[in-house]
Amino acid sequence: KAGVTQTPRYLIKTRGQQVTLSCSPISGHRSVSWYQQTPGQGLQFLFEYFSETQRNKGNFPGRFSGRQFSNSRSEMNVSTLELGDSALYLCASSLFRDRVRDEQYFGPGTRLTVT
Amino acid sequence: GENVEQHPSTLSVQEGDSAVIKCTYSDSASNYFPWYKQELGKGPQLIIDIRSNVGEKKDQRIAVTLNKTAKHFSLHITETQPEDSAVYFCAASKTGYSTLTFGKGTMLLVSP
Repeated sequence: KAGVTQTPRYLIKTRGQQVTLSCSPISGHRSVSWYQQTPGQGLQFLFEYFSETQRNKGNFPGRFSGRQFSNSRSEMNVSTLELGDSALYLCASSLFRDRVRDEQYFGPGTRLTVT
Repeated sequence: GENVEQHPSTLSVQEGDSAVIKCTYSDSASNYFPWYKQELGKGPQLIIDIRSNVGEKKDQRIAVTLNKTAKHFSLHITETQPEDSAVYFCAASKTGYSTLTFGKGTMLLVSP
């Protein structure tokens, strides 16, 4: 079974631009979560989508948004990019929403650099 | 909300030695504790997890222990090998929740 895939793997953007990242979960998985990873803050939860609805959101500004499609693929968007948005953006998928019931599997991430 | 502290931040061992990484959590309701290994250029990979109805779980050279009273859990790697070199993250979650709260990570370096 194929793992979680993320595209693109690397992106370089300029301050003020916007960016869209894509995630395809493991086949059959319906929950997709996004995390931001930086050296200073570590892994921080952005949001989670399940059945095309945002179910949970972390403490990030409204410039960060996302959506999920009927095939469970998900996209996240960051508008008006800032230098501090440079990070590795990780997508994780699982069958269920309850972590106690079901493990979460991560993709390789998209490395975003804002200049 | 939940807070997870992880120590040490870096750990250097010789091949064949054991390595121990410790985490503490703040929310007594947390009952799921996974450990992830992240190699350079890759996403975190789940290596072992434990749920609060057990105190210890083993998988070959890797074991995790949980002390719910003290609210801490640990990762033990025995007979370390150079390919164990990576960043290890602990995390916590609880029933009915979808998010994981992560520790800041431990960089493990195993020297041949």
